[in-house]
Amino acid sequence: DTGVSQNPRHKITKRGQNVTFRCDPISEHNRLYWYRQTLGQGPEFLTYFQNEAQLEKSRLLSDRFSAERPKGSFSTLEIQRTEQGDSAMYLCASSPTLDRGYNEQFFGPGTRLTVL
Amino acid sequence: KQEVTQIPAALSVPEGENLVLNCSFTDSAIYNLQWFRQDPGKGLTSLLLIQSSQREQTSGRLNASLDKSSGRSTLYIAASQPGDSATYLCAVGNDYKLSFGAGTTVTVRA
Repeated sequence: DTGVSQNPRHKITKRGQNVTFRCDPISEHNRLYWYRQTLGQGPEFLTYFQNEAQLEKSRLLSDRFSAERPKGSFSTLEIQRTEQGDSAMYLCASSPTLDRGYNEQFFGPGTRLTVL
Repeated sequence: KQEVTQIPAALSVPEGENLVLNCSFTDSAIYNLQWFRQDPGKGLTSLLLIQSSQREQTSGRLNASLDKSSGRSTLYIAASQPGDSATYLCAVGNDYKLSFGAGTTVTVRA
């Protein structure tokens, strides 16, 4: 197992276009998270899944954003009608099913989105 | 809302010196605290996880302490090397999500 993978690594799009990112978690990790990181800041939580169920969504996740995790395996994050303010690094993480104290998250390399 | 602060924002030291990175958080009702390393343009690498019931955790040259009651954690890196140059992020676990600080960017000069 090579860890969490994300595709694409870089995406350049024009304002108003839709984009979709994919995350493949570490196998057998039941929990999957999405974060967004802008330049010079720490990542901010967007949403997380327990298997295929989306359990929490941040207020940062506007109605232009949607995330899915069909069959509890990989996940996709779609942004509709992109805006320049969506430019950021989108990070995915996964963790095994352990209690909160042991919940170590492992991150992927991220997808860098640039909206022109 | 959990607020996480890391001081200093940047640090430059000569090779061989010990590094001390500080993290503070406002809500002490945490489950764990995780330290990460991030290289420019890359994802995050987990360094250490401290459960809320623990006082410290060690891995090689790294040692992290946690004082939950005062809302503080410190990451010590012994005998720094140029390869330790990176941004170090502190993240506090409330329930299952992490709240991050903005990081401390470390430069180790050869």
